[in-house]
Amino acid sequence: DTEVTQTPKHLVMGMTNKKSLKCEQHMGHRAMYWYKQKAKKPPELMFVYSYEKLSINESVPSRFSPECPNSSLLNLHLHALQPEDSALYLCASSQDSGSQSYEQYFGPGTRLTVT
Amino acid sequence: DAKTTQPPSMDCAEGRAANLPCNHSTISGNEYVYWYRQIHSQGPQYIIHGLKNNETNEMASLIITEDRKSSTLILPHATLRDTAVYYCIVRAYPPADSWGKLQFGAGTQVVVTP
Repeated sequence: DTEVTQTPKHLVMGMTNKKSLKCEQHMGHRAMYWYKQKAKKPPELMFVYSYEKLSINESVPSRFSPECPNSSLLNLHLHALQPEDSALYLCASSQDSGSQSYEQYFGPGTRLTVT
Repeated sequence: DAKTTQPPSMDCAEGRAANLPCNHSTISGNEYVYWYRQIHSQGPQYIIHGLKNNETNEMASLIITEDRKSSTLILPHATLRDTAVYYCIVRAYPPADSWGKLQFGAGTQVVVTP
């Protein structure tokens, strides 16, 4: 199984809402990532978890709160978002964030719209 | 990690080879070249990576020049399903302060036409 799943596929939320994005993989990967992708732009790294510990936070605003409950799951909690946070949120995993092969498997993404 | 330069777009005829160039003139000795692609509305997909030798897998071939300042991704027989944005990424191994990062540039939009 080489699949990374993300739920929901689409999410519309108001600026006062609290919601969560979920990512799951069953490949035994120990590194998981959140990326943000605006329309017609490349993906931008937000967070890296390695062995369930937060390794990289790319100066992401605190209204985005990641969580890694176990090695297969990665959540992104959203609170008080702004319309400019509307984007495709991609989850990825790899065997190890520092490995040479560095093959990252990406999920299909969650299309988020903030109204 | 070194920066990369790619043409913004390329057209390719179905069934022909697609040769995608990437310039990485400031590449360091411990930096690998990676290629990913992103088909519309999907997550990026790993294609291939290499250090200095040419590499081939079931998806593509990677040709790296002897001075390592540029590389070419070759899709041997392009199909309509190969229409995507192709990203060339340079990343150090072992990683230094960019531990865990995969830095995407603007990429090349490849359109395969019948």
